[in-house]
Amino acid sequence: DGGITQSPKYLFRKEGQNVTLSCEQNLNHDAMYWYRQDPGQGLRLIYYSQIVNDFQKGDIAEGYSVSREKKESFPLTVTSAQKNPTAFYLCASSRGGLADSYEQYFGPGTRLTVT
Amino acid sequence: GDSVTQMEGPVTLSEEAFLTINCTYTATGYPSLFWYVQYPGEGLQLLLKATKADDKGSNKGFEATYRKETTSFHLEKGSVQVSDSAVYFCVLSGTYKYIFGTGTRLKVLA
Repeated sequence: DGGITQSPKYLFRKEGQNVTLSCEQNLNHDAMYWYRQDPGQGLRLIYYSQIVNDFQKGDIAEGYSVSREKKESFPLTVTSAQKNPTAFYLCASSRGGLADSYEQYFGPGTRLTVT
Repeated sequence: GDSVTQMEGPVTLSEEAFLTINCTYTATGYPSLFWYVQYPGEGLQLLLKATKADDKGSNKGFEATYRKETTSFHLEKGSVQVSDSAVYFCVLSGTYKYIFGTGTRLKVLA
């Protein structure tokens, strides 16, 4: 079955530690995205990548970093510089990039709690 | 800039009731419109989509019509079930960006 996997589902970290969230897709999609979801809010774009070895900042990139070394993988690192990292993180992919209006497919999410 | 406005929830209905969740948008150009559903603790799933004016998207008994004259994309279902309880997001593919509504929580009581 094609889809997007995110791991782990729950992640707990101490303040001041960097943490990396995994996202893998086997849909052969070119574009991948990371969103953050907070209670009562819509999704906010952190980073996106339209092709391998290229990525762009979204609306709330500060304190986050990404890499796109392989088409199927787009890991997100939440650094200690992120002031409010506790949130639900969603990875998505789409056939084309943001200019193409294709629907996005989402992974099951990772809930990060930082104390 | 582009934006999406959804009705605030929660919406609480009895099983078999009629559902409408309002969504209006502002956009330049000709965006595509989507409804996504999110069940507790899960990611978003595409429910339906419409890519141009007067298109009707439908899936699992849900429908929405892309109305350019009223800039709306309201979600409807004739008879809801307890299993439809979830959060519903109206989404617009704007200019180099996807714009998400804040979500409307639906609770269906048996």
